Amino acid sequence: NAGVTQTPKFQVLKTGQSMTLQCAQDMNHEYMSWYRQDPGMGLRLIHYSVGAGITDQGEVPNGYNVSRSTTEDFPLRLLSAAPSQTSVYFCASSLSSSMGGETQYFGPGTRLLVL
Amino acid sequence: GENVEQHPSTLSVQEGDSAVIKCTYSDSASNYFPWYKQELGKRPQLIIDIRSNVGEKKDQRIAVTLNKTAKHFSLHITETQPEDSAVYFCAAPERDSSYKLIFGSGTRLLVRP
Repeated sequence: NAGVTQTPKFQVLKTGQSMTLQCAQDMNHEYMSWYRQDPGMGLRLIHYSVGAGITDQGEVPNGYNVSRSTTEDFPLRLLSAAPSQTSVYFCASSLSSSMGGETQYFGPGTRLLVL
Repeated sequence: GENVEQHPSTLSVQEGDSAVIKCTYSDSASNYFPWYKQELGKRPQLIIDIRSNVGEKKDQRIAVTLNKTAKHFSLHITETQPEDSAVYFCAAPERDSSYKLIFGSGTRLLVRP
């Protein structure tokens, strides 16, 4: 299994440009999420999905859109990039259970620079 | 919603010494508390977790303790080694959504040889 994969590894955008960060997992996990990581601020949840066709907002959703058309894929879209979105983006996935608390597996990250 | 605070932000110890990182959470209904380790330039990886029905869990040199009354949990690393140097994150689930993890701000641990 490849686990959680993300593309691209690194991207430079100009302010106002749009782009999609790709995330895929081959573990048949129901739950997927996107985090951004900024120095000194830990991991902040952007959006998450508990299954195909179901998405919801996290702590910092503004400026980002997501969709979940399949179990495997969970792309993150930046509609109009801003310098404040310069960050490292991690996708994660986990099984779901009635008790919750399943291990989240992270992708390798995408480093985004917005000029 | 859930609020997770983590201390200290940086920690430097001598190889062989112990390291302790503490987190507090706000939601008394939280029932799952994982710890993640992130090496430089790498992805976060789970190293240990604890559920609210136990007070302590150990895995070789690492342990996690939970005090539900005080709403805090701690990571203990004994006999630290240089390869323990990394950033450590605690987390707790958001109320009504056990999959939504709220992370602490991280602790950068440096183990000096």
